[in-house]
Amino acid sequence: EAQVTQNPRYLITVTGKKLTVTCSQNMNHEYMSWYRQDPGLGLRQIYYSMNVEVTDKGDVPEGYKVSRKEKRNFPLILESPSPNQTSLYFCASSLSPNRADSPLHFGNGTRLTVT
Amino acid sequence: GENVEQHPSTLSVQEGDSAVIKCTYSDSASNYFPWYKQELGKRPQLIIDIRSNVGEKKDQRIAVTLNKTAKHFSLHITETQPEDSAVYFCAAPIWISNFGNEKLTFGTGTRLTIIP
Repeated sequence: EAQVTQNPRYLITVTGKKLTVTCSQNMNHEYMSWYRQDPGLGLRQIYYSMNVEVTDKGDVPEGYKVSRKEKRNFPLILESPSPNQTSLYFCASSLSPNRADSPLHFGNGTRLTVT
Repeated sequence: GENVEQHPSTLSVQEGDSAVIKCTYSDSASNYFPWYKQELGKRPQLIIDIRSNVGEKKDQRIAVTLNKTAKHFSLHITETQPEDSAVYFCAAPIWISNFGNEKLTFGTGTRLTIIP
């Protein structure tokens, strides 16, 4: 089954404790992206990747890191989480951002709470 | 910077009436405009999209219209039903000229409530 898999689904952590949210897709998609969703602010892009070893900042990259060593994986790293990073996170992938025959597929989301 | 604006942020309509959500974009190079629906507690999912070489696309009760001159596109839902209640997001690809990349940027969402 074609899917984007995020883990974990829920995570509660403390300020400053490094964490990684994993994202994996099995559709051979080149484009992958991370978004955070907060009430009233919609889906804001954190980082995106056009292909292996090609990543770029989105609109809200501060406090986050990503890597794209393999096509299928695009982990999101919070080196020193802070309470303002409490949010719902979505990973997504597609062949390209503007191909009508390849819509953006979202993972199930990761709800992160930083205390 | 380049962005996508979406209005209204909330919309309530009587069941059976029509709902319209509008988005404007700033990048004239944008050529693909998808709409996503997010039901409560679930992931966003594509419901309809349009490319810049057409002005309108319909799929049963939903349609999207595009005005490239004015740089806006709209989602139309007719004969609304309770299951249409959700948050709807528009999106457009924005070219990042210094890297030759493009990224898909979302509007801030519209919470649609269908009143039985």
